[in-house]
Amino acid sequence: NAGVTQTPKFRVLKTGQSMTLLCAQDMNHEYMYWYRQDPGMGLRLIHYSVGEGTTAKGEVPDGYNVSRLKKQNFLLGLESAAPSQTSVYFCASSWGLAAFNEQFFGPGTRLTVL
Amino acid sequence: AQSVAQPEDQVNVAEGNPLTVKCTYSVSGNPYLFWYVQYPNRGLQFLLKYITGDNLVKGSYGFEAEFNKSQTSFHLKKPSALVSDSALYFCAVRDKYGNKLVFGAGTILRVKS
Repeated sequence: NAGVTQTPKFRVLKTGQSMTLLCAQDMNHEYMYWYRQDPGMGLRLIHYSVGEGTTAKGEVPDGYNVSRLKKQNFLLGLESAAPSQTSVYFCASSWGLAAFNEQFFGPGTRLTVL
Repeated sequence: AQSVAQPEDQVNVAEGNPLTVKCTYSVSGNPYLFWYVQYPNRGLQFLLKYITGDNLVKGSYGFEAEFNKSQTSFHLKKPSALVSDSALYFCAVRDKYGNKLVFGAGTILRVKS
């Protein structure tokens, strides 16, 4: 099993450009999450999904959109990138609520917005 | 609001010595607490969790954590540190709605040989 994979691993964007980050999991997990990690701030939840076709806002959703068309995939979109979105993005999945269950994390995507 | 604090940005310990990474929490209701570890250039990995039951929780890689309700703490411990334990450690707590985690800022652990 590959676990949780993320594509791409690195990306550099110019301000105003758009991009989509792809997360895939092969563990048949219902719950999927997108986090951003910034120095000294830990992980902050952007959006999450409790099942195929559902999405919900997390702590820092502004400037991002998500979709969960298939159970195994969770896409994170940036419509108009800003330098403040420079960060490392992590996807995670769990079979139950993250508040009670282990989350499995992908390797991360390092995004730089110039 | 639910929150956790990791008061030390970095902890340094010699190989073979016991280690402690501190975490304190502030919650309304029962605290559900987690520890995750992040090795360089990797995603986070689950170490252990406290939901209910024994105050001493045992986890992966020889780590354990002690839940202390009176001191609102959930410190991570290991009796004998390894150089390979060097990593970034995150404490996390269930949010007030009960369906997500709130992470601390993280503590860098450096184990020197």
